[in-house]
Amino acid sequence: DTAVSQTPKYLVTQMGNDKSIKCEQNLGHDTMYWYKQDSKKFLKIMFSYNNKELIINETVPNRFSPKSPDKAHLNLHINSLELGDSAVYFCASGRYEQYFGPGTRLTVT
Amino acid sequence: DQQVKQNSPSLSVQEGRISILNCDYTNSMFDYFLWYKKYPAEGPTFLISISSIKDKNEDGRFTVFLNKSAKHLSLHIVPSQPGDSAVYFCAASDVGNQFYFGTGTSLTVIP
Repeated sequence: DTAVSQTPKYLVTQMGNDKSIKCEQNLGHDTMYWYKQDSKKFLKIMFSYNNKELIINETVPNRFSPKSPDKAHLNLHINSLELGDSAVYFCASGRYEQYFGPGTRLTVT
Repeated sequence: DQQVKQNSPSLSVQEGRISILNCDYTNSMFDYFLWYKKYPAEGPTFLISISSIKDKNEDGRFTVFLNKSAKHLSLHIVPSQPGDSAVYFCAASDVGNQFYFGTGTSLTVIP
């Protein structure tokens, strides 16, 4: 029974397109996060949501927007994709010890 | 500006020996520290944590040590097992619950 799931696992798309990555957690956590792991393996927080309110918003381009329809879901929408957006994106939930999803490898061509 | 650093990108250890993974941080406001383990094509998995009010936390074969004056923490795995081969990330959080991760150390345990 997967605790944090995200779809799709792989996403290949062209520059300029708009795409979404979905995330769901069944742990009952109030806080969910999106992380980006770049080519240097640096894992950096992008957003976190606590009870459907954005509480951390790192200096990411406004082409990225998190959407939380309910406490169990935090989706990531990306507009006008650029080559530099290619990375692995991880969803996570939990206040202190975080539980991560399997990651979505996004490739922008 | 990387506030959490893991200066050793890789480490190889013989099975049964001790593995020591190191992590340094720069922000004295960090009050909670964690270690995560990551296998290829999977998300990081929480391993062990320590609060800034402690200097040691132990869970089975895993022990985390915190030296606040040196802004340094380490993860000891003893005895090391081949299944421990993975990338290990340290992370730290501040009072605002913002998390900062290191770049990871790839551990290989040789049978």
